[in-house]
Amino acid sequence: ETGVTQSPTHLIKTRGQQVTLRCSSQSGHNTVSWYQQALGQGPQFIFQYYREEENGRGNFPPRFSGLQFPNYSSELNVNALELDDSALYLCASSPGGGAGETQYFGPGTRLLVL
Amino acid sequence: ELKVEQNPLFLSMQEGKNYTIYCNYSTTSDRLYWYRQDPGKSLESLFVLLSNGAVKQEGRLMASLDTKARLSTLHITAAVHDLSATYFCAGGANYQLIWGAGTKLIIKP
Repeated sequence: ETGVTQSPTHLIKTRGQQVTLRCSSQSGHNTVSWYQQALGQGPQFIFQYYREEENGRGNFPPRFSGLQFPNYSSELNVNALELDDSALYLCASSPGGGAGETQYFGPGTRLLVL
Repeated sequence: ELKVEQNPLFLSMQEGKNYTIYCNYSTTSDRLYWYRQDPGKSLESLFVLLSNGAVKQEGRLMASLDTKARLSTLHITAAVHDLSATYFCAGGANYQLIWGAGTKLIIKP
């Protein structure tokens, strides 16, 4: 059974650029959630995708967008990068769409915006 | 809106000692999770607590949930260095997890 994988592991961008982060969910999981974790803080929920539809969204601006594909892998896109977007971006997959399911996290993508 | 608070935020302790991390939450939560994070690493699921009075144990860690007090605890028994990490609790609210700020635990030999 393959766990959650994310790519790339590290990324450096400059302000105003756009970035795409990728996530492959664990086998058998149809739900992917994305989180932003700033240094020294707990993760902040960005959004969740369930069977290719956005299932819910946290307090992030529209320049944070996402997709889920038929194989349940997912992308997080961030446009017009700002310095404060520097963080660890975590993807988590779960078997179903509710908060009742344990979420299994990938290793994360560390984004640095200069 | 669910809010989750952990305390302490930082804990330094000697090997062999016992200690407890507290997690308070503000409104009804579907369930309560505990995760561990090692420096520079991702989050590892430790426990999920589903109902009032739930208690789960794994090795030297034991988690409990009191839904009436809106309190969960993570108790560490006879700490060992390998348990040094940051521990997070998170409450379930519909489709998302709301996280505490984390407790950084350092266990000294």
